[in-house]
Amino acid sequence: AQTVTQSQPEMSVQEAETVTLSCTYDTSENNYYLFWYKQPPSRQMILVIRQEAYKQQNATENRFSVNFQKAAKSFSLKISDSQLGDTAMYFCAFISGNTPLVFGKGTRLSVIA
Amino acid sequence: KAGVTQTPRYLIKTRGQQVTLSCSPISGHRSVSWYQQTPGQGLQFLFEYFSETQRNKGNFPGRFSGRQFSNSRSEMNVSTLELGDSALYLCASSVRRGSIQYFGAGTRLSVL
Repeated sequence: AQTVTQSQPEMSVQEAETVTLSCTYDTSENNYYLFWYKQPPSRQMILVIRQEAYKQQNATENRFSVNFQKAAKSFSLKISDSQLGDTAMYFCAFISGNTPLVFGKGTRLSVIA
Repeated sequence: KAGVTQTPRYLIKTRGQQVTLSCSPISGHRSVSWYQQTPGQGLQFLFEYFSETQRNKGNFPGRFSGRQFSNSRSEMNVSTLELGDSALYLCASSVRRGSIQYFGAGTRLSVL
């Protein structure tokens, strides 16, 4: 069974600084997708960024980028120029084929002014 | 294009009652998945529907059930509510199975 591990329950960062959230996963599949979702206090789960396992190039979306290390089964999220609106729970998630989306337990990020 | 719509947003029920939650997916999305989110257990998969058929089911008792209609809208039902069923129930839709899932705002269920 696939598992996703987020080892940092809570993190904080100063506004305008950079922060990296860690995620590791375990799977025997070769083709899969990885995601980072953000859940602010409003509860809406928002897709931040996605990575296809067959792509070697790391995905980027504006201030958000990932460091995807397939051999190490690692998928970290870097947030640059952190903003107060980035305060949220961040979930790493994995999906392969027709199996359900599997989530990590989340990292609570606080951006401090 | 409208996002995933979940109704109602909040619900208060008492033990033993039953409840039905609704989810309208993004137009053109045919796959709908349901998740339960609690502080203790995190996000847990309930079930997935595609083309009106349940394709996957999580490890939940039979009190939890669901269905999908021909327009891809989905409902989930919880019968004989227990205090432990208090949670945020999230619905997500995707174009097809195994693709990116987009979430609704959730239904907060409180069982008293």
